[in-house]
Amino acid sequence: DTGVSQDPRHKITKRGQNVTFRCDPISEHNRLYWYRQTLGQGPEFLTYFQNEAQLEKSRLLSDRFSAERPKGSFSTLEIQRTEQGDSAMYLCASSPDRTEQYFGPGTRLTVT
Amino acid sequence: LAKTTQPISMDSYEGQEVNITCSHNNIATNDYITWYQQFPSQGPRFIIQGYKTKVTNEVASLFIPADRKSSTLSLPRVSLSDTAVYYCLVGPEDTGRRALTFGSGTRLQVQP
Repeated sequence: DTGVSQDPRHKITKRGQNVTFRCDPISEHNRLYWYRQTLGQGPEFLTYFQNEAQLEKSRLLSDRFSAERPKGSFSTLEIQRTEQGDSAMYLCASSPDRTEQYFGPGTRLTVT
Repeated sequence: LAKTTQPISMDSYEGQEVNITCSHNNIATNDYITWYQQFPSQGPRFIIQGYKTKVTNEVASLFIPADRKSSTLSLPRVSLSDTAVYYCLVGPEDTGRRALTFGSGTRLQVQP
């Protein structure tokens, strides 16, 4: 069990470009969460999957954001037409059931 | 969701006991208190959860008075590696099954 992994760890992009992040949850964890964290703030919930079904989306998840978990294993988060306000740490977490969420190291996005 | 209030920052020295208090005046009857810890450049990790009185594990102790309107996370004999942000969360017990709401947390700085 290697924990939750995220790729890339850092991404620098120019405003207007599209970016995609990947999250590999802990094996057999059926729940997967995406959060966003800006400097000095706690993580903010974006969206949640149970297996391949996206069950909940925050109002923070604008139309430019889309998330998928096609086979109920890894997940991707895509941001289209990035804006400077999208600069943040994007965290992924997974959980097997009732227990706590296990967070990955995050992907730090910088939009220039 | 019950609102939580905790100090923005705290300073301590190695070997001291650190107590971080969280206020949650509007806690509901079925709410639990959960603490997460976040090291720099990492995702948060669960450290302890409780409902009432005292809970202790290998990392910390959690003290909850009878009225449950506040709670105190106690870290015994801190070391430099305990420098982190500590988040107090209030909600249902099953933190693995729902989106988590983080506040700004308490930034603990441990000095040598």
